[in-house]
Amino acid sequence: DTAVSQTPKYLVTQMGNDKSIKCEQNLGHDTMYWYKQDSKKFLKIMFSYNNKELIINETVPNRFSPKSPDKAHLNLHINSLELGDSAVYFCASSLAGITNTEAFFGQGTRLTVV
Amino acid sequence: GDSVTQMEGPVTLSEEAFLTINCTYTATGYPSLFWYVQYPGEGLQLLLKATKADDKGSNKGFEATYRKETTSFHLEKGSVQVSDSAVYFCALSKGDDKIIFGKGTRLHILP
Repeated sequence: DTAVSQTPKYLVTQMGNDKSIKCEQNLGHDTMYWYKQDSKKFLKIMFSYNNKELIINETVPNRFSPKSPDKAHLNLHINSLELGDSAVYFCASSLAGITNTEAFFGQGTRLTVV
Repeated sequence: GDSVTQMEGPVTLSEEAFLTINCTYTATGYPSLFWYVQYPGEGLQLLLKATKADDKGSNKGFEATYRKETTSFHLEKGSVQVSDSAVYFCALSKGDDKIIFGKGTRLHILP
């Protein structure tokens, strides 16, 4: 079983469209994240959720709206897509509040906005 | 704020060469330190970790020692292989729902 799964793996869409990326973890973790990886491989945290509550929002445009229906899911909805949104988006999860825990990552969603 | 700085890549080595990828951190408190690896087309995987000063993390021939006096966590391997070609990320966590990554170092191993 895949620990952290996200869909779709590839997403090609036109500017101005609205799209969603889904993420699910079966590890029983309390904390889930969305990271954006740009073309230079730089990883930047976007959001962190703990038990369905938003903990961190790293100055992400409000076109990006995370939604956590339960603590096993954290979906990312993006409105009015722009060329600069093209990147690989990674979902991850970890145990909350424990310093030495690792994060488990999904395979990534490569978003291309044309 | 807390941050992680690692050496810029790409790093290109021949097979069986010795590898060092430097990583230093800035953080208040007592973070845990990690190295993650990203193989082409895949997500990140934990390679090794250390949770307190002087701890040594090791896995798959890679090692890193948590040095509080120099705020460093350098990654080393004695003899690299072509299959080690990947992007390596140094990271820290303080258990505050935020894992901070360095910018990544791309490693190319030539046969």
